Amino acid sequence: GESVGLHLPTLSVQEGDNSIINCAYSNSASDYFIWYKQESGKGPQFIIDIRSNMDKRQGQRVTVLLNKTVKHLSLQIAATQPGDSAVYFCAEIPQWTDKLIFGTGTRLQVFP
Amino acid sequence: DAGVIQSPRHEVTEMGQEVTLRCKPISGHNSLFWYRQTMMRGLELLIYFNNNVPIDDSGMPEDRFSAKMPNASFSTLKIQPSEPRDSAVYFCASSSPDSGRETQYFGPGTRLLVL
Repeated sequence: GESVGLHLPTLSVQEGDNSIINCAYSNSASDYFIWYKQESGKGPQFIIDIRSNMDKRQGQRVTVLLNKTVKHLSLQIAATQPGDSAVYFCAEIPQWTDKLIFGTGTRLQVFP
Repeated sequence: DAGVIQSPRHEVTEMGQEVTLRCKPISGHNSLFWYRQTMMRGLELLIYFNNNVPIDDSGMPEDRFSAKMPNASFSTLKIQPSEPRDSAVYFCASSSPDSGRETQYFGPGTRLLVL
């Protein structure tokens, strides 16, 4: 499906390595920061989120880090697998709204 | 649960024709969102509803676009008349208070091509 642009930044990693995907956000007043994964031909899928009053949150094989000082968000994937190949979007939800504002996305390619 | 259902999955039409995209949210979800995804602009929120009421339609491109939610289980996005620049993948998503507003469940999308 048309889930990516031709000029998306791409991260290529070897299977089993750790991946780090970065994102810069713009709105200091956002409540939540979220990572979504989009596989080819599918809609985005929620991975993990972090509240604005936290700086780290761990899930299963994934960790999200939030640095509010420099408005930076990162997603770490441990032991990257072929099934992790997708486009990853960071998103934020401004206060007092339910709107998801998506970043431009990063394509993750996992090779054997 | 079947997830969010969208129809049609693919639509090819000619410029000037009316296009209607349909969405059935997950049962029990009270928020519904329409997004558009293009290579140039990425994922953009067009409009969202809470409890069938439109809350924010600031992302709707122009008057040619309209969206309705007549009940909790159905929404439509209509483009009339359609133009080639409307070609994109249109996603519908839903969320519930239980899952949190940050967790939106997306449908498979409708790929629209306007010739």
